[in-house]
Amino acid sequence: EAGVAQSPRYKIIEKRQSVAFWCNPISGHATLYWYQQILGQGPKLLIQFQNNGVVDDSQLPKDRFSAERLKGVDSTLKIQPAKLEDSAVYLCASSLARVLDSYTEAFFGQGTRLTVV
Amino acid sequence: SQQGEEDPQALSIQEGENATMNCSYKTSINNLQWYRQNSGRGLVHLILIRSNEREKHSGRLRVTLDTSKKSSSLLITASRAADTASYFCATNAGNMLTFGGGTRLMVKP
Repeated sequence: EAGVAQSPRYKIIEKRQSVAFWCNPISGHATLYWYQQILGQGPKLLIQFQNNGVVDDSQLPKDRFSAERLKGVDSTLKIQPAKLEDSAVYLCASSLARVLDSYTEAFFGQGTRLTVV
Repeated sequence: SQQGEEDPQALSIQEGENATMNCSYKTSINNLQWYRQNSGRGLVHLILIRSNEREKHSGRLRVTLDTSKKSSSLLITASRAADTASYFCATNAGNMLTFGGGTRLMVKP
């Protein structure tokens, strides 16, 4: 079974520029997560989709971050404009769970390492 | 905000020794999961324990859950150098998966 695919693996941009990350979850997985992981810290949930609907985006800085999940499959996360503190690894994960309160694990992609200079 | 907090933040042991990591959380959960992350890589799921379970085993891993104390522990027995990684607990509530800050484990050969 193919895993969660993310691209690009690495990205270096200047502050105030824009950047987009792409994620292709495991086929059939209803739930998709985007996490931000700053060096030395645990992953912080940015946004969670159930199919193509948003379940939670309470920690997404909506003035600069946006995300969408097209047709309930692929997802993109965009930052515009980027700040220095956005330097982090952006992880995408997917889960088979189709309903809330389900007991399934999440599968993670390799992440995109973003450096803002 | 992070639901779970791991303790210790860093742990260094010799190969063959056991490693114990603890996780505390704040709110009611459906299940608690442990993940491993090698440097520069994505997270890999290790084990899931449901809120109505108290102990679970998988190979050299043993996880306990005490919902009255809102805490969990991960025990890795007979550690190997290849176990060197960061370990995270993640609480699942309402299908939201929230991670702690992690324990960085180093196993010296």
